[in-house]
Amino acid sequence: AQRVTQPEKLLSVFKGAPVELKCNYSYSGSPELFWYVQYSRQRLQLLLRHISRESIKGFTADLNKGETSFHLKKPFAQEEDSAMYYCALSSNYTLTFGKGTLLTVNP
Amino acid sequence: DTEVTQTPKHLVMGMTNKKSLKCEQHMGHRAMYWYKQKAKKPPELMFVYSYEKLSINESVPSRFSPECPNSSLLNLHLHALQPEDSALYLCASSQRVASGGGSEQFFGPGTRLTVL
Repeated sequence: AQRVTQPEKLLSVFKGAPVELKCNYSYSGSPELFWYVQYSRQRLQLLLRHISRESIKGFTADLNKGETSFHLKKPFAQEEDSAMYYCALSSNYTLTFGKGTLLTVNP
Repeated sequence: DTEVTQTPKHLVMGMTNKKSLKCEQHMGHRAMYWYKQKAKKPPELMFVYSYEKLSINESVPSRFSPECPNSSLLNLHLHALQPEDSALYLCASSQRVASGGGSEQFFGPGTRLTVL
């Protein structure tokens, strides 16, 4: 069975500092991974998908199959990045979410 | 229209009431989903519809009854709910359910349900 682990429940950084949100997965097949973000009082939004290798709002994420990781990174955090971030794995009709990391960017 | 919409935004109901949640998308997506989300927790999958047919029921109690009248609409009928069913109910859609491009899900804003 697939599993997604986000080891940090809370992460606090200062504005302008680099930020890395960790995500590890367990899946026997070829994974399809996403990062979703949920800002306060807003809907859950797709932030990144690993297959497109894009950068959105300055965030990037690289799939490392050897380490089974899909960490989310941003070199310079902004206050508006404060939100709940979920890593998710898609397989066979279902999306398995990690427990989420609440990121706070302090001024 | 590139959004998933949900009505109502808020719903308060008693344990003997019958109510329905509605979800709509006009993106031509053929897969639709219901999730339950408690505060500060990830969404929990309840049901998956693919091409208007129920594909997955994650052992959800029968007091929750999904319905997919057409490819754009998804309903969740509620009856005899319990206070512990109070949560944010999210609807999502995707182009298709299989892995590969097009399986990313787009979420609605949710219905905040309170059961008294």
